[in-house]
Amino acid sequence: GQQLNQSPQSMFIQEGEDVSMNCTSSSIFNTWLWYKQDPGEGPVLLIALYKAGELTSNGRLTAQFGITRKDSFLNISASIPSDVGIYFCAGHTPAEDMRFGAGTRLTVKP
Amino acid sequence: KAGVTQTPRYLIKTRGQQVTLSCSPISGHRSVSWYQQTPGQGLQFLFEYFSETQRNKGNFPGRFSGRQFSNSRSEMNVSTLELGDSALYLCASSPRQSGLEQYFGPGTRLTVT
Repeated sequence: GQQLNQSPQSMFIQEGEDVSMNCTSSSIFNTWLWYKQDPGEGPVLLIALYKAGELTSNGRLTAQFGITRKDSFLNISASIPSDVGIYFCAGHTPAEDMRFGAGTRLTVKP
Repeated sequence: KAGVTQTPRYLIKTRGQQVTLSCSPISGHRSVSWYQQTPGQGLQFLFEYFSETQRNKGNFPGRFSGRQFSNSRSEMNVSTLELGDSALYLCASSPRQSGLEQYFGPGTRLTVT
């Protein structure tokens, strides 16, 4: 239904490597949002996408709204230790309900 | 601009008690949403308010309620607490009526013993 499947669940990478994670659904979404959450804190909005096909960058982060409106990906280039955290995708359904993915836990080894 | 603030940050309550959590949105934001975050269930939507009206409600029992004041500040209340209510409760505000682009507060960590 309108659940978001986020993958991978966790990633262990070396500093300097690029990272890619994605979210998919069997239903369409009107917006896609990507958040990062540090331990004990609330999620911080990284990128918001509003149109199918939209590609948006925020520094070393790039995200795209899939043309089918059923998926989105987030890329992080040249990872650094402070990229560590949990990354969540989220989306608004046509009924304006917000759904969240289960998160991708990123670990960056110096 | 100050971010979303939530009080208290930490709370310990006993089963059967009730609790009220507070959220102050970013200045100028009139949409406030509440979420429950647990390791097992992830982030789950509780409710959304805009201009003191509840616009949307998640699939939670009636023990969970909320309200929004004329200054956009919001409170949520949980009555007859259960052990399973232990969670991080997050408030998010948005500048848009539809609640897009939500900005989260640091959360209130509720522990029910």
